[in-house]
Formats: sequence, C-alpha cells, structure tokens
Amino acid sequence: DVKVTQSSRYLVKRTGEKVFLECVQDMDHENMFWYRQDPGLGLRLIYFSYDVKMKEKGDIPEGYSVSREKKERFSLILESASTNQTSMYLCASSPQGRGVVEQFFGPGTRLTVL
Amino acid sequence: AQSVAQPEDQVNVAEGNPLTVKCTYSVSGNPYLFWYVQYPNRGLQFLLKYITGDNLVKGSYGFEAEFNKSQTSFHLKKPSALVSDSALYFCAVREPNSGNTPLVFGKGTRLSVIA
Repeated sequence: DVKVTQSSRYLVKRTGEKVFLECVQDMDHENMFWYRQDPGLGLRLIYFSYDVKMKEKGDIPEGYSVSREKKERFSLILESASTNQTSMYLCASSPQGRGVVEQFFGPGTRLTVL
Repeated sequence: AQSVAQPEDQVNVAEGNPLTVKCTYSVSGNPYLFWYVQYPNRGLQFLLKYITGDNLVKGSYGFEAEFNKSQTSFHLKKPSALVSDSALYFCAVREPNSGNTPLVFGKGTRLSVIA
C-alpha cells in the first residue's frame, strides 16, 4: 500500500514564525502536491512537483514556498506565518507514466497560527 | 480550465435508504473523474474513478458513480446507506490527455446518515 506521511498532525505557531511542513511518500512516486483545505472552499492547490528540484505554482502560492531535494520528500514552507494561513494542509503523491491514476493523500496537518 | 461543482453542501439520508451525492463538471473533451471520501480528522481516501468505457463505475465500500456526458454529471450513489458512511465527499476532475496533472476538486458535500 502507498503510504504518505506528514510530519505533524497538529501544529500551533505564532505570527511571523517560519514554518516547515514535511511530507514523505514511500512508493517512489514522481509527482507530489500540497493542498490546503478550508470549510466551504474545498481543496485548493498550493504547489506541486513532477521531479526532484522541480516545482510548479498552483492556484494559491502566495505566502508559501516548497522544496524537493529528494524524490520521496516534499516540504511546504511558510516564510512568515500569518493568521490567514490557519488551515488543514494535505500532501498527496502520484506516479508518472502509469496511465490515469489517482492521487494518494497523507493524513493532513492542522496548522493554527496565533 | 476544468472545474467541478458540488451543488449541495449537506445531504441527509436515513440509514438503509439510497443515497446520492451530486457532482457536475466542466472540461473540454472527455474528462477523468474521481470521488474521494474524508472521515473526521483524516486525509482523503480514494473511492472510484471514471476514465472511459462503462458509464457506471463501481468503487470501494459499495459506492458507485454514473457518468452522464449529456448532463456533464458524475453523481455518487449507494443503494443502502450506513451510519458509517457519514463523512465529507469530494468530486475531482482532470482534463484528458493531461498526463498526471493535479486534480481539481469540488468544495465537498457533507453526508449525514441518520440511524
């Protein structure tokens, strides 16, 4: 079974702090994604990556950056956390070149910025 | 650009009754369509997908979905609801021939199954 793990289930940070959210997948997937989930807004794509050291902006990249130094790990960085970044953050991965496949999601990190 | 709409924020159904969670899509060409479920404080779990072929797709936990091209819909169904089906359901779409680009999700529908 594909396993996508996220470093924390719950995180509380203060405004202005630099925050790192880590995601690791163990199935050698090329593609990795970061979404945020907010009530009434569904899932919105922040960033994604098709390969190591590659990144693409999603629909709402402002205030975020990402890092993909290794194939299995995709980090989301909040350079200076703000209260409007309080949200559930979901990481996902999928393989490349194996037909039309679904994305596999991690359990999520619920971030609160005070 | 592709999009999906889930017109109902909340669906309530009695245990044992059939359930339907609605989804309509907008893409150019034939879409790839997906349904996911999210239980409280959990990530999204894949239920089923439509790529091509038979319009009725069967998935996990007894769920199925019907692709209707003329109505641009992909409604999720189950013949007999269980209390344990209570969760948040998301429809998602990907444009055809777009490789494995990110899925675009709807806003979600909360299903409550009442005993």
